[in-house]
Amino acid sequence: GESVGLHLPTLSVQEGDNSIINCAYSNSASDYFIWYKQESGKGPQFIIDIRSNMDKRQGQRVTVLLNKTVKHLSLQIAATQPGDSAVYFCAEIRLRYSSASKIIFGSGTRLSIRP
Amino acid sequence: EPEVTQTPSHQVTQMGQEVILRCVPISNHLYFYWYRQILGQKVEFLVSFYNNEISEKSEIFDDQFSVERPDGSNFTLKIRSTKLEDSAMYFCASRGASPGLAGDTQYFGPGTRLTVL
Repeated sequence: GESVGLHLPTLSVQEGDNSIINCAYSNSASDYFIWYKQESGKGPQFIIDIRSNMDKRQGQRVTVLLNKTVKHLSLQIAATQPGDSAVYFCAEIRLRYSSASKIIFGSGTRLSIRP
Repeated sequence: EPEVTQTPSHQVTQMGQEVILRCVPISNHLYFYWYRQILGQKVEFLVSFYNNEISEKSEIFDDQFSVERPDGSNFTLKIRSTKLEDSAMYFCASRGASPGLAGDTQYFGPGTRLTVL
């Protein structure tokens, strides 16, 4: 069954501050964890992913941390901007070598930016 | 930058009618997916498609649903007899590499909003 969830449904951050969005998972069999951003009226947009054998990965202004001991995933956004306002989904992939791998999405956190 | 496109952006239909949602995946991609998102809820997997056949389908994807890749560019989702609870955003996604390769990802289209009255 599905195993990805989020701690908070909403997060409000001051523009320029760092944002941290958290996610818990329960299935240790996941191969990849992914963060997607969804703006209003649009499809999910890939932000960053991390393999299950890593604990940190950095992108442009974003960092994903994976703590397998407590089954916790976080997305850090540096210097949050108005354009970062969106719903953020954590998701997992369990790779299947005999078929296409599906994404299992969590519930989403809505990030809003205060001017 | 290549992108997944979907048509129409909004489809309104009467309960019991058939609808076909269309997607044009990224041109060199091999794996195709449909997901749906009921308003205010999370995105749910419906079906994956590879090598002209369904790879996996969820319990949502019952006999009323079908997928097809009628030519080299389009990927369609058909709902034979729509129900009120089929109202949702439907997202198409595609990916390129085989599932064993690291770093590949699914790219999502903008979605079709289906409203069943």
